Amino acid sequence: DTAVSQTPKYLVTQMGNDKSIKCEQNLGHDTMYWYKQDSKKFLKIMFSYNNKELIINETVPNRFSPKSPDKAHLNLHINSLELGDSAVYFCASSHGNRGPWETQYFGPGTRLLVL
Amino acid sequence: RKEVEQDPGPFNVPEGATVAFNCTYSNSASQSFFWYRQDCRKEPKLLMSVYSSGNEDGRFTAQLNRASQYISLLIRDSKLSDSATYLCVVNGNRDDKIIFGKGTRLHILP
Repeated sequence: DTAVSQTPKYLVTQMGNDKSIKCEQNLGHDTMYWYKQDSKKFLKIMFSYNNKELIINETVPNRFSPKSPDKAHLNLHINSLELGDSAVYFCASSHGNRGPWETQYFGPGTRLLVL
Repeated sequence: RKEVEQDPGPFNVPEGATVAFNCTYSNSASQSFFWYRQDCRKEPKLLMSVYSSGNEDGRFTAQLNRASQYISLLIRDSKLSDSATYLCVVNGNRDDKIIFGKGTRLHILP
């Protein structure tokens, strides 16, 4: 009965590799997000999709490419991984129709370590 | 001034005490405000929204001061299970950009 799920939970990889993180929500929400939480625990939004359409695209290197095949899924593909990409990546979702009072529901996070 | 600023702590507080956190925000046009809680190595979860009139949920009270641009969280009769990081969250402009503070760590001591 997991609401927002992410795979993999842990990802250890070499610099220069390409990797993907998958996210799925079964809450029927229209909006999904990707956040990065770095070693200093600062949680920063990267992307937001509403009904498969990109609505927030923060200043993120274009090595990061989100893909939303349907409104229940938002995957994150990262090309040419760098040491600084090491962080915890959280997927989240929200209803998408409640304006600024949207509650965010987070997945368990994917711990990425780039060696 | 940072968009959302919190005292990082840690706050070390004996069980049963009352503890208060403040959070300041820079955008006077911000529309909505929240407190999230994040346990160690877990995802953030909504604790409570913060309404203009202030609101209370059990031992937790949240207040908003728009004039001074800060929100506060008060925890009464603190429990060991309250130990966590408390994240101040502000929803900003028309693009619905949500900004998280860096969080305040709370340790409740037995």
